[in-house]
Amino acid sequence: EAGVTQFPSHSVIEKGQTVTLRCDPISGHDNLYWYRRVMGKEIKFLLHFVKESKQDESGMPNNRFLAERTGGTYSTLKVQPAELEDSGVYFCASSQVHEQFFGPGTRLTVL
Amino acid sequence: AQSVTQPDIHITVSEGASLELRCNYSYGATPYLFWYVQSPGQGLQLLLKYFSGDTLVQGIKGFEAEFKRSQSSFNLRKPSVHWSDAAEYFCAVAARFNTGGFKTIFGAGTRLFVKA
Repeated sequence: EAGVTQFPSHSVIEKGQTVTLRCDPISGHDNLYWYRRVMGKEIKFLLHFVKESKQDESGMPNNRFLAERTGGTYSTLKVQPAELEDSGVYFCASSQVHEQFFGPGTRLTVL
Repeated sequence: AQSVTQPDIHITVSEGASLELRCNYSYGATPYLFWYVQSPGQGLQLLLKYFSGDTLVQGIKGFEAEFKRSQSSFNLRKPSVHWSDAAEYFCAVAARFNTGGFKTIFGAGTRLFVKA
């Protein structure tokens, strides 16, 4: 069974550009989560989907971040416009109950 | 508020020596506890988890952890460290949302260095 996949694995963009990260959860997992780790800090929760609905987006840092989950399958996280402080690793996870399975992460570098 | 504390930012041990990584949590209900490892350039890999039952849990790669409710701790141990264990280790607790479902709260991580 395939695990959680994320694309791209790395992204390097300039300040002010737009980047879209993609996450494909494990098939059949209704819950999908986004987390991120900025340099030297803890891994922090961003938001949680149940199917296509946002259940909790309390961790989203500001309105430059937009997450979607069309049809309750894969999810995208768009950062527009990107700022220097957005650099870090963005993790996606999916679950059926309380054990979350994490993807390999997307390393975002904003220059 | 729920939180996870890993008091050691980094630890250095000799190859073959024993290892203990400390973790304390703050959570009002019965916790679901996890240890993850992240090797350089890799994603998060689950080492072990505690949901209920036996408080000593075995994981992959020879790791084990013991849940001690009285101390709010979930320390990770390995009797003999291998050079390939050099990585960053995260303790985590699954916290329930008010709306149902869970989110993972991570500690800051402990970076393990292994010397020959």
